[in-house]
Amino acid sequence: AQSVSQHNHHVILSEAASLELGCNYSYGGTVNLFWYVQYPGQHLQLLLKYFSGDPLVKGIKGFEAEFIKSKFSFNLRKPSVQWSDTAEYFCAVKGNTGFQKLVFGTGTRLLVSP
Amino acid sequence: EAGVTQFPSHSVIEKGQTVTLRCDPISGHDNLYWYRRVMGKEIKFLLHFVKESKQDESGMPNNRFLAERTGGTYSTLKVQPAELEDSGVYFCASSQFYGSTNTGELFFGEGSRLTVL
Repeated sequence: AQSVSQHNHHVILSEAASLELGCNYSYGGTVNLFWYVQYPGQHLQLLLKYFSGDPLVKGIKGFEAEFIKSKFSFNLRKPSVQWSDTAEYFCAVKGNTGFQKLVFGTGTRLLVSP
Repeated sequence: EAGVTQFPSHSVIEKGQTVTLRCDPISGHDNLYWYRRVMGKEIKFLLHFVKESKQDESGMPNNRFLAERTGGTYSTLKVQPAELEDSGVYFCASSQFYGSTNTGELFFGEGSRLTVL
């Protein structure tokens, strides 16, 4: 069965600090990988996704993630966070054949202090 | 373009009562999903509709939960009778692509928070 592990449940950073959120997945096949974000009071929205090709994926708002197949990882990074990045971040994985469901991690709450 | 809308945004009911949650997907999206998040835990898959058909309902907790999508448009999720452990946020999502390799992005609603007392 698919599973996703997010190592950090709560992260507190100051503005301009660098961010890296860990994500590891378990799945016995080819996967599609996603990071979703939920800002306070808003709906979940897609930050970035990996389907194939370049393992370094760039998303919105300066975020990027690197797919390392050998480590089953898809860590999210941002060189310099802003107060507006305060949100909850979810890593998710889906097998890429058939009608596969999206499996989420437990989420990481990021608080950026001004 | 309107996004995925869910109603109600928050519902407080007593144990044993019935609640019906509604989801209106983005127009033209064949795929509709229900997910649930219990406080502090992961967002868990409940079921997936392709048009009006249930493609995968492996995540439905038990037979107190009934999901429908008549006509392939909006969907309802009924909990009857509700139990304390049903409390959480119920998310609906929709996606456009229909086919054996559904790699389309999921668009989420804001969720319906259910509190069972």
